Amino acid sequence: GQQLNQSPQSMFIQEGEDVSMNCTSSSIFNTWLWYKQDPGEGPVLLIALYKAGELTSNGRLTAQFGITRKDSFLNISASIPSDVGIYFCVGGGFKTIFGAGTRLFVKA
Amino acid sequence: DAGVTQSPTHLIKTRGQQVTLRCSPISGHKSVSWYQQVLGQGPQFIFQYYEKEERGRGNFPDRFSARQFPNYSSELNVNALLLGDSALYLCASSSLAGGLYEQYFGPGTRLTVT
Repeated sequence: GQQLNQSPQSMFIQEGEDVSMNCTSSSIFNTWLWYKQDPGEGPVLLIALYKAGELTSNGRLTAQFGITRKDSFLNISASIPSDVGIYFCVGGGFKTIFGAGTRLFVKA
Repeated sequence: DAGVTQSPTHLIKTRGQQVTLRCSPISGHKSVSWYQQVLGQGPQFIFQYYEKEERGRGNFPDRFSARQFPNYSSELNVNALLLGDSALYLCASSSLAGGLYEQYFGPGTRLTVT
């Protein structure tokens, strides 16, 4: 079945550093989305991408929909402690597919 | 506006029992999706309903079923519970305006099967 390969699995960074994570798939998706999940809560939508090559920003977050439609990346600039959490890439389609998540730890 | 609400928050069941989980979408959202999230993993898609019709189904056994009501709320039923069904069950709602892909999640129901 369809699978998303999300990397890295976890990241330990200092406050103020930039972060980059990505997601690849063997399948084409029409939509890529990025979510963040805090402990004990449901995922929260960060960015939605609908066109190949699209680059979208939401505050300190920037995400891109890969040209091949098989990948996407998320960048976080100048990280702060509240960025801690699990970030999921999501391929949107007939069956929504979540990546395994990138666990981000930020040291103040 | 209220977000997606789910009930109950926590639930403990015994193997072989049946469980019903409930979800109320954001007002105006006509689509509801259900996900299973096992500890340490990403959510796995179970069902999506739009306008009371099943729009998508993930790779789950027939023990899992769902329905959507005229007010767009939804129930997820799981029969003959197994230990492996222990997980956080998430409900998400979406609207046609967001292409049905921009989903807003509830806090989940934590199901423990003993």
